[in-house]
Amino acid sequence: GQNIDQPTEMTATEGAIVQINCTYQTSGFNGLFWYQQHAGEAPTFLSYNVLDGLEEKGRFSSFLSRSKGYSYLLLKELQMKDSASYLCAVRDVNTDKLIFGTGTRLQVFP
Amino acid sequence: DTGVSQDPRHKITKRGQNVTFRCDPISEHNRLYWYRQTLGQGPEFLTYFQNEAQLEKSRLLSDRFSAERPKGSFSTLEIQRTEQGDSAMYLCASSFFRTGPDEQYFGPGTRLTVT
Repeated sequence: GQNIDQPTEMTATEGAIVQINCTYQTSGFNGLFWYQQHAGEAPTFLSYNVLDGLEEKGRFSSFLSRSKGYSYLLLKELQMKDSASYLCAVRDVNTDKLIFGTGTRLQVFP
Repeated sequence: DTGVSQDPRHKITKRGQNVTFRCDPISEHNRLYWYRQTLGQGPEFLTYFQNEAQLEKSRLLSDRFSAERPKGSFSTLEIQRTEQGDSAMYLCASSFFRTGPDEQYFGPGTRLTVT
């Protein structure tokens, strides 16, 4: 079966750093994606990891440990516009469909 | 680059009516996915196409749901005899499949409300 866990909500202060964790158990793994979704809008792609390690892209970084079934998304220098839901998704190895977690709603306060 | 588009953006219908949604993917993308998302949840996979072939359907997709991609370009998702439980955001995504994983680009979604 497939199971993806991430915290439901997080809060942080403008300018700070926040780490959003994601753990997964899947029968097949072909990469892990992070998407950002603002309320009422479509998910937008943030990052992709298929090998262990850290991928950095501007203020956002994503880490993967396949042996631990664990990933995190790191957001630096938080801005108010970063208030959104962050979705962790695992790609199924056989079909390439994405299996999403429930999302972590991040609120950034001034 | 026009991105993925979906039509309509909002649909309100009465229980028992049929509805049809349309998705236009990014033009060079050969894969097209449909997902459903309810409030506070992540998107759930419904079905996907590679070109015109429907390669997988989720168990979530009851026999009231049907999807087509007749010419390998746009796709339609039809729900017959809608029920209140069908109320959700229906998201379409497209990607260009090649060797190795591909990134899916999502459309703005169609929000369905069944009264």
